[in-house]
Amino acid sequence: DADVTQTPRNRITKTGKRIMLECSQTKGHDRMYWYRQDPGLGLRLIYYSFDVKDINKGEISDGYSVSRQAQAKFSLSLESAIPNQTALYFCATSDWDRENGYTFGSGTRLTVV
Amino acid sequence: GEDVEQSLFLSVREGDSSVINCTYTDSSSTYLYWYKQEPGAGLQLLTYIFSNMDMKQDQRLTVLLNKKDKHLSLRIADTQTGDSAIYFCAETQSGGSYIPTFGRGTSLIVHP
Repeated sequence: DADVTQTPRNRITKTGKRIMLECSQTKGHDRMYWYRQDPGLGLRLIYYSFDVKDINKGEISDGYSVSRQAQAKFSLSLESAIPNQTALYFCATSDWDRENGYTFGSGTRLTVV
Repeated sequence: GEDVEQSLFLSVREGDSSVINCTYTDSSSTYLYWYKQEPGAGLQLLTYIFSNMDMKQDQRLTVLLNKKDKHLSLRIADTQTGDSAIYFCAETQSGGSYIPTFGRGTSLIVHP
């Protein structure tokens, strides 16, 4: 099994629908993150969590919400999806030792029509 | 301007060396990273360098750090078609949350 698992891998949804992207990890890391990737724009941080009781906004949190259900689970919700939220979404984890960097999931490709 | 800058594309021939460059603005950067993203996959950490080093070598990969110019480079020797991917530079600072700032990524295309 992958260290960081994202579901679904692909999703097409309609404008205005609520959608949840899920992330689970077996790394035992406290820190979890959600990023979106758009061509030519690189990675932009949406939300991050340093432990179960900690939630922080990233640079582009508007239109998104998150829930940290357990140390191993961190979900991202789009309350009312819009077309410009079409992107590739990544979950990542890290521990407190910066030498190990981040462990990324394989991504969820979301299309809002 | 951006905190971490990279050129968007690099094209090389198989067997040649590739050099991917990155510049950053924060002089307090301590850890600098190179990640690789293959098609359809997430990013994978390739290597990192700590700010008190100026070079790090790992098999075909050589990382050079010029702190004075705030310039980081990744050299891939004997580039193979399997090295075709997007390469991201990232840096973390000495204080705060240690969340890295990523560059936009450089797409490396290796021609046979």
